[in-house]
This record gives sequence, structure tokens and C-alpha cells, in this order.
Amino acid sequence: EAQVTQNPRYLITVTGKKLTVTCSQNMNHEYMSWYRQDPGLGLRQIYYSMNVEVTDKGDVPEGYKVSRKEKRNFPLILESPSPNQTSLYFCASRVTGGAYEQYFGPGTRLTVT
Amino acid sequence: GESVGLHLPTLSVQEGDNSIINCAYSNSASDYFIWYKQESGKGPQFIIDIRSNMDKRQGQRVTVLLNKTVKHLSLQIAATQPGDSAVYFCAEMTGSNYKLTFGKGTLLTVNP
Repeated sequence: EAQVTQNPRYLITVTGKKLTVTCSQNMNHEYMSWYRQDPGLGLRQIYYSMNVEVTDKGDVPEGYKVSRKEKRNFPLILESPSPNQTSLYFCASRVTGGAYEQYFGPGTRLTVT
Repeated sequence: GESVGLHLPTLSVQEGDNSIINCAYSNSASDYFIWYKQESGKGPQFIIDIRSNMDKRQGQRVTVLLNKTVKHLSLQIAATQPGDSAVYFCAEMTGSNYKLTFGKGTLLTVNP
């Protein structure tokens, strides 16, 4: 089954404790992206990657890091989480070239206390 | 900055009625638009898309209309069913980095 998977699905952590949210896709997509979803603000892009070893900032990159060492994986790293990073996070992927949909993962609910 | 917005944050319809969800966009350079459905606890799910060189596209029970003159996008759902209850987002794509800009969403509630 073609899908985007994320782990963990739920995470409660404390301020300053480094964490990583993993994202993997099995569709051989070149493009991957991370979004956060907050009430009243909708979905906002954090980082994206056009291909392996190619990443760039989205609209709200502060406090986040990403890496793209393999085509299928695109982890989101919070080096020192803060309460304002409490949010619902989605990973997405798509093919490059032309108008094609993005496929979204099931989401990761992060709470930083 | 430019953004995608929605006219109605909530929409309540009776089962069997047709639903229309509207979206206004402000970036005239956007060349691709998508409607997503998001059910509680799930990620956005693709419904239908349309390119800027089209003004209408039909899927199964859904139709998307694009009016570039007034920068307006709409999603029509025919014979709305309880399973259609969800938040619906429009999104626009601009430029070569495939970035999607999302609207805030409309909550559709279907009453049996």
C-alpha cells in the first residue's frame, strides 16, 4: 500500500529535550515536506526537500531541522523544543514535475510542557 | 503576504443535499489548486485538483470550479452523505518548489 508513515503518532515531552519525528514514504517520491497545523492558522510549511541532500526552509522553519540522507526518509528534528512548538505535525510527499497531489501522513501530535 | 482563505468557516447541510464550499485566493500566479478533506485524527486526504488552464473539473460526486477573474475556487459535493463530514481545505501551488499554501479550512457537518 502506497503511504506516508510517521512516528511517533503522539508525543509529550519537556522543554529542551531533543526529539526526532520520523517520516517515511514508499512511493519513491523525490519531494517531501513537513507542515504544522495549528487552530486558526491552518497548515504551514516548515521545511521541504526536493531530493536527497537537498532541503530548504518553508514558512516557519525556526526551531526545526531536517535531513534527507535517503530518498524515503525525511526526519524532523527539534533540538530544543519549546511550548510554542506544541502542534500537530504532518509529513507529505509527491513526485516532482507538473501538477500532482501531495500525499500526507497520519500526523504526529506533539505536546511540549 | 498572500494567502488562501475561505468564505465560510462552517457549513451544515442535510443528508442528500448538495454542498458548496468556497475559497478565495490572492496569488494570481498560482497554477495548481487542490481540495483536501481532513477527518478528525487523520491527515489531509486528496479529493480533487485543477490546473489554472481549466475552469471546471469533475470527479465522483465532486466538482471543482475555478474562476481566475475573481480568484475564486469552489468545491461542490453532490448528494452529501454523513461520511462527507470533515474539514475541507483548499490549497494553491505557486512556483517551482511545489509549495502548497493552505486556506484555514471549512468544517462541513452533514445532518442525517
